Amino acid sequence: GDSVTQMEGPVTLSEEAFLTINCTYTATGYPSLFWYVQYPGEGLQLLLKATKADDKGSNKGFEATYRKETTSFHLEKGSVQVSDSAVYFCARKAAGNKLTFGGGTRVLVKP
Amino acid sequence: GAVVSQHPSRVICKSGTSVKIECRSLDFQATTMFWYRQFPKQSLMLMATSNEGSKATYEQGVEKDKFLINHASLTLSTLTVTSAHPEDSSFYICSARQEPTYEQYFGPGTRLTVT
Repeated sequence: GDSVTQMEGPVTLSEEAFLTINCTYTATGYPSLFWYVQYPGEGLQLLLKATKADDKGSNKGFEATYRKETTSFHLEKGSVQVSDSAVYFCARKAAGNKLTFGGGTRVLVKP
Repeated sequence: GAVVSQHPSRVICKSGTSVKIECRSLDFQATTMFWYRQFPKQSLMLMATSNEGSKATYEQGVEKDKFLINHASLTLSTLTVTSAHPEDSSFYICSARQEPTYEQYFGPGTRLTVT
């Protein structure tokens, strides 16, 4: 079935460090791919998305490229801030236009 | 645009009582809304798909008689946790699907604590 696997956290970084969160998906068709961010005590916010192979989604300094050959959609940011501390979820469109989420990766950025 | 609200944001109830959670799309109409449950430090689990004017579709393992869903209008879906027990304590999140993009917009969540 449709599934998404992302690296387990927590990931602890210093401010201005480089962040990568790995995400891979099952290759059933060519699903749209998403990264969502959840700040403490809040719901999910769409961070970025890509709808086809080689698309690059970007927002707030974060980027992710849809890699069909490796079925991956890794999230990157070149210089993180304390305010980027949150839980990040990778997701793919599934049957019936539902979303299938990865397990989430908690990121903690220290000043 | 594309704002989804949930009410209440937090609720504490006693075991055996029922609790209703509202999910509203504030600036768009949504024929389809989704209800998720999130356990501490875990991912979101889809509970059910709420369809305006028809019965909800529940995911496998979700008790439809315990989690009642009503989607009576194009901007409102409600989730009622009936005869709540401490194990129902969780963070419940809804999303509304905007057409024609089919993109989902999430509410801020409702934290339910059953004592």
